Amino acid sequence: EAGVTQFPSHSVIEKGQTVTLRCDPISGHDNLYWYRRVMGKEIKFLLHFVKESKQDESGMPNNRFLAERTGGTYSTLKVQPAELEDSGVYFCASGLTEETQYFGPGTRLLVL
Amino acid sequence: KNEVEQSPQNLTAQEGEFITINCSYSVGISALHWLQQHPGGGIVSLFMLSSGKKKHGRLIATINIQEKHSSLHITASHPRDSAVYICAGYSGGGADGLTFGKGTHLIIQP
Repeated sequence: EAGVTQFPSHSVIEKGQTVTLRCDPISGHDNLYWYRRVMGKEIKFLLHFVKESKQDESGMPNNRFLAERTGGTYSTLKVQPAELEDSGVYFCASGLTEETQYFGPGTRLLVL
Repeated sequence: KNEVEQSPQNLTAQEGEFITINCSYSVGISALHWLQQHPGGGIVSLFMLSSGKKKHGRLIATINIQEKHSSLHITASHPRDSAVYICAGYSGGGADGLTFGKGTHLIIQP
């Protein structure tokens, strides 16, 4: 069974540019989460989808971040415009239940 | 607000030693995840437990619900166990997502 995949694995962009991260959950998992770790800090929750609906987006830092999950399959997280403090590792996780989560390898984002 | 506290933050040990990493969590957290992240690697879920004890190979995780405390043990540690170990709490209900500890950076020296 394929695990959670994320694309790209690394992204280096300049401040002000736009970046879109993609997460493909494990097939059949309705729950999809986005998390991020910024330098030196613990991993923080961003948002949670159940199928195509946003269950909770209380962790999204500001309106420069937009997450979508059209059709309830893969999800994208767009940062527009990117700022220096957005640099970090963005993780996606999926699960059949809210409790059990399988993590992807992460996307390392560097904003210069 | 859910909180998860891990200790120690850094741990260096010799190959073969018995390793213990501790995690304390706040009221409201009903299940705990232990995760592993190798340098430059993704996050791997080791255990999820809400009571008792789980074992997988040389890894053992225990949780004491009354004391709101969990431990991850590694027996006969090996250099390939070197990684960051993270505990994360699940609270369910209205608070979605996991609450993460800061992680324990473990180095096992040969």
